[in-house]
Amino acid sequence: GAVVSQHPSRVICKSGTSVKIECRSLDFQATTMFWYRQFPKQSLMLMATSNEGSKATYEQGVEKDKFLINHASLTLSTLTVTSAHPEDSSFYICSARVPGHYEQYFGPGTRLTVT
Amino acid sequence: DQQVKQNSPSLSVQEGRISILNCDYTNSMFDYFLWYKKYPAEGPTFLISISSIKDKNEDGRFTVFLNKSAKHLSLHIVPSQPGDSAVYFCAAGSSGSARQLTFGSGTQLTVLP
Repeated sequence: GAVVSQHPSRVICKSGTSVKIECRSLDFQATTMFWYRQFPKQSLMLMATSNEGSKATYEQGVEKDKFLINHASLTLSTLTVTSAHPEDSSFYICSARVPGHYEQYFGPGTRLTVT
Repeated sequence: DQQVKQNSPSLSVQEGRISILNCDYTNSMFDYFLWYKKYPAEGPTFLISISSIKDKNEDGRFTVFLNKSAKHLSLHIVPSQPGDSAVYFCAAGSSGSARQLTFGSGTQLTVLP
C-alpha cells in the first residue's frame, strides 16, 4: 500500500514554456501532499504543502506565481512550473501523507531540464 | 539553520557487518523521526520511524535508536547487504508544524561485497 505515482518522470522543455507535473496517491486518499526539489548531492528542499481544496502553503523563498500548485482532489496534486528557465532544472519529488500520520510516501520524481 | 544534521556524507561497510547511520537534531519540538532510503533518480522510500515516547524501534534488519537528551538518533542495519547501498535520509517532524518533515542532508551508504 501507500503508492504514489508521479508523471512525467522526465521532461525537457524550452525556456519560457510551462510544465505541469502530476502527483497521484494510488491506494489512499491524501488530504495533504508535499512538493520537494532536490539539487545534485543535496537534501530534499520542501517547496510547498498542498492541501486538498485550499491554497498551497509555500516555503520562504519559493515563488508561488512561478510554481503553481493545485490539489483539486484527494488523490491528485499538480505542480506547474511557469515560464521555466534553465535555473529551474532540477529533480522535483512529490509526497503524500497518510491522514493522521507523519509518514510521507514519495513519488518516483520528475527530472526537469530547461534548455 | 540546519535543524536536522547528518554529519557523515558517506559510509562504507563490509557485507554482513553492521551499518550505523547517525543523525542529530536541534529542535526540541520534534516528536517523530523517520528514516528514508533513496536510490539515484528515484523518490525516497520510507524505512522506519520512531515516536519521541520511545527509544527504540525495530523492523527486521533495521533498528532506530533515539536519544532525546542528546538529540540524536541512529539507524542500525544488521546484517548489511549490497542492496542496502543508497543514500539514507533522516527526517523529523512535530505535531505543531502540520507534521511537515525536515530532512537531513543524507548519508551515502556503500556496502562492499
